Amino acid sequence: GAGVSQSPRYKVAKRGQDVALRCDPISGHVSLFWYQQALGQGPEFLTYFQNEAQLDKSGLPSDRFFAERPEGSVSTLKIQRTQQEDSAVYLCASSFSPGGREGELFFGEGSRLTVL
Amino acid sequence: KQEVTQIPAALSVPEGENLVLNCSFTDSAIYNLQWFRQDPGKGLTSLLLIQSSQREQTSGRLNASLDKSSGRSTLYIAASQPGDSATYLCAVPYSGSARQLTFGSGTQLTVLP
Repeated sequence: GAGVSQSPRYKVAKRGQDVALRCDPISGHVSLFWYQQALGQGPEFLTYFQNEAQLDKSGLPSDRFFAERPEGSVSTLKIQRTQQEDSAVYLCASSFSPGGREGELFFGEGSRLTVL
Repeated sequence: KQEVTQIPAALSVPEGENLVLNCSFTDSAIYNLQWFRQDPGKGLTSLLLIQSSQREQTSGRLNASLDKSSGRSTLYIAASQPGDSATYLCAVPYSGSARQLTFGSGTQLTVLP
């Protein structure tokens, strides 16, 4: 597609529910990143994929967070047993360059998660 | 750990003014710095990417400078317009990692007509 696509754009979950957030990166982009953005703050890194390999998951806040990119294209971020502090905007970004080192990052519009 | 600070947190100017947004980072061992724009409820749009070997980059009315040694970058917006109203974020690679970006909290700009 023309840009990074994320779905759903908005998600309301009851505390304890599991949620899954989807990211379709720009076609051919090797690198895919997930970021979490709290209100009024800059995005914070969650995890990084190079093709299908998850090379860095150091930013995932707990073992309730899980991400996958099985075919090196679409990625899913799953949050199990959601808690109120998980409420945030989850941004996906992709880059043509491995590691995003030299190329620009292109961001999706994000998935806004609200946990009640 | 890389830390990024943006000053001011918010800025309101009348249309037509030139303005400067500031970004500082603690670890100068970076290989690029990126400025983004974020509209309310939207994702981030890349504005300018400056490689470490560059001192500045220009795109239209935007000019970004980079001084690695002092750990600073500025985004200069000429002849501001109401459509420039948005939050502007700078980001640098996390120390020791080619992959993570560390973002500042952004400067919320309002250009009054």
